[in-house]
Amino acid sequence: AQSVTQLGSHVSVSEGALVLLRCNYSSSVPPYLFWYVQYPNQGLQLLLKYTSAATLVKGINGFEAEFKKSETSFHLTKPSAHMSDAAEYFCAVSDENDKIIFGKGTRLHILP
Amino acid sequence: EAGVVQSPRYKIIEKKQPVAFWCNPISGHNTLYWYRQNLGQGPELLIRYENEEAVDDSQLPKDRFSAERLKGVDSTLKIQPAELGDSAVYLCASSPSYNEQFFGPGTRLTVL
Repeated sequence: AQSVTQLGSHVSVSEGALVLLRCNYSSSVPPYLFWYVQYPNQGLQLLLKYTSAATLVKGINGFEAEFKKSETSFHLTKPSAHMSDAAEYFCAVSDENDKIIFGKGTRLHILP
Repeated sequence: EAGVVQSPRYKIIEKKQPVAFWCNPISGHNTLYWYRQNLGQGPELLIRYENEEAVDDSQLPKDRFSAERLKGVDSTLKIQPAELGDSAVYLCASSPSYNEQFFGPGTRLTVL
């Protein structure tokens, strides 16, 4: 069964600093990979998805993620953090039955 | 375009009481999902519908949970009777294709 591991349940960065949220997946076949963001009391919003095209995927709000097969990673980055980026971020992978499996999430805190 | 609509947004009940959640997906989305999100966790799939048919209900606790999607549009998720451990956020999502899901804001259930 596929699974997703997000390293760090909480990450704090200063405003203007680089954001790096880590995600590793387990998959025996090329997967579809996703990053979702969840603001307080809201549902999940798709940031970006990897579907076996370009390995560097650009998403909304200045986020991007790079698929690295050799490392089974799909880390999320943003060059310069903004206060509005404070939220919970979920990495997810789709399995062979088209089911999406979510990680446990990483809460991103932005320090002024 | 309207997003996924869920109601109620919040529900507080005593244990052993019944409760129902309603979801209206995005128009034209044939696939509908119900997820449960426990505090500090990612969403976990309860049931997936393709039109009126439940194609994956393997994670639905069938002794107390039931769901329906009459006419292949709106859906309801019911718990009877509710237990303390059912306290969670129940998310509905819809999809035009299996690898891109749009989430509603969720219903936060508290069982006392």
